[in-house]
Amino acid sequence: DIQMTQSPSTLSASVGDRVTITCRASQSISTWLAWYQQKPGKAPKLLISKASNLENGVPSRFSGSGSGTAFTLTISSLQPDDFATYYCQHYNTYSWAFGPGTKVEIK
Amino acid sequence: QLQLQESGPALVKPSETLSLTCTVSGDSTSRTNYYWGWIRQPPGRGLEWVGSIHYSGTTYYNPSLKSRVITSVDTSKNQFSLILSSVTAADTAVYYCARHNFGADAFDIWGHGTMFTVSS
Repeated sequence: DIQMTQSPSTLSASVGDRVTITCRASQSISTWLAWYQQKPGKAPKLLISKASNLENGVPSRFSGSGSGTAFTLTISSLQPDDFATYYCQHYNTYSWAFGPGTKVEIK
Repeated sequence: QLQLQESGPALVKPSETLSLTCTVSGDSTSRTNYYWGWIRQPPGRGLEWVGSIHYSGTTYYNPSLKSRVITSVDTSKNQFSLILSSVTAADTAVYYCARHNFGADAFDIWGHGTMFTVSS
C-alpha cells in the first residue's frame, strides 16, 4: 500500500499569509493527487485534481504542484474563509486514499 | 445543479448490517465517465474511501473493508447504495456519498453526509 503523509499537521497563520502544505507519497503516484478543503460539519470540497488542475469556481489564490512523491498546495494570500482542514487524496491501482489532513488555524 | 443526498438509519447494533442510499438529482447515475463513491469519516478523524461503483456494475472497494462491503446502482431511481455487514463501533462515522470523476481520479461532488452510529 502507498502511504501518504501531510505536513504540517497543524498550521497557524494570519490573513494575508502565504501558506504551503506538503503531501508526500511512499512511492511515485505520477500526478494522481487531489486536494480538498473541509470545514467543520461540512462535506469536503474538491479544490485541485491531477496535482495542479484548479476546479471551476475555486479562487485562483489556491494552486497545486508536484509529481512523483512530493506535492504542495499553496494559498497565496490566506483569506478568512480559508481556515479549514485540507486533505490530499491519491489514486493507485484502483484504490483511492486520503492523507491525514492539515488544519489551518488562525494565528 | 447536481446534488447528492444520503439516507439511512442513524443507529445500528453491533454485528448488524448498515444500509445507506444516495439519491442523485441533476445528473444521471448512468453517465459513462463517472463512478459513484462512498467515503466515511469517524468523529474527529480523517477521511476513508469505502468504495466506488459504475452503473455497469464495476466496483472497487477499500481492501480493508472489501469482505464486508457491497455497493449497487439503481439507474431507474437514480440512486446508489452501500451495504456494510457485521458492523462494530469502529464503523461509527459520517458517511458521505460522492460523484467519483474517474478521469480526474477525484471526488468532485459530495452529499452533505449522514452520521451513522453503532451502539447496543
